Amino acid sequence: GDSVTQMEGPVTLSEEAFLTINCTYTATGYPSLFWYVQYPGEGLQLLLKATKADDKGSNKGFEATYRKETTSFHLEKGSVQVSDSAVYFCALMSAGGGTSYGKLTFGQGTILTVHP
Amino acid sequence: GAVVSQHPSRVICKSGTSVKIECRSLDFQATTMFWYRQFPKQSLMLMATSNEGSKATYEQGVEKDKFLINHASLTLSTLTVTSAHPEDSSFYICSARPARGGPQHFGDGTRLSIL
Repeated sequence: GDSVTQMEGPVTLSEEAFLTINCTYTATGYPSLFWYVQYPGEGLQLLLKATKADDKGSNKGFEATYRKETTSFHLEKGSVQVSDSAVYFCALMSAGGGTSYGKLTFGQGTILTVHP
Repeated sequence: GAVVSQHPSRVICKSGTSVKIECRSLDFQATTMFWYRQFPKQSLMLMATSNEGSKATYEQGVEKDKFLINHASLTLSTLTVTSAHPEDSSFYICSARPARGGPQHFGDGTRLSIL
């Protein structure tokens, strides 16, 4: 079945540092890939997405490129801020139809803490 | 933007009671809604897929009679935790997939604590 593996956290950085959170996936066909962010006590917010190979998703300074050859979708940001402290989830949506359509498979989440 | 409202945000109740959680899409129609459970410092586990006007599809290992799902309209799905016990304490999150297409939108979650 589909699966998503994220680098284990927690990740602690100083403000303005460079961020990378690794994400690799296993899926059949051509899934869509997502990064979600969860702030304390809240639900998930879509951060960015990519729907086909070599697509680059970007939002709020975050970027991730859909790499089919390495089955990866690593999240990067050049200069993090304290307000970026949250839990980040990598996810995929199966390309299959039927009852599996629209289902998201999540990675285990990576806690990011940014210090001033 | 698309908004999903989940209510209540927090509930504390005694063991043996039933708790209903509502998930509403406020500005779009959602033929499909998803219910997730999240344990502390862990990822989201899909519990069931709720389809408007039909029975929910439950994931393996999720008790249908324990977690009752109703999707009576294109903007509302409810999850009822029946005869809740302390082990049911968790963070429950719903999401809604717009009928017009596009990514899922998540509610803010419900923190359920069973004493």
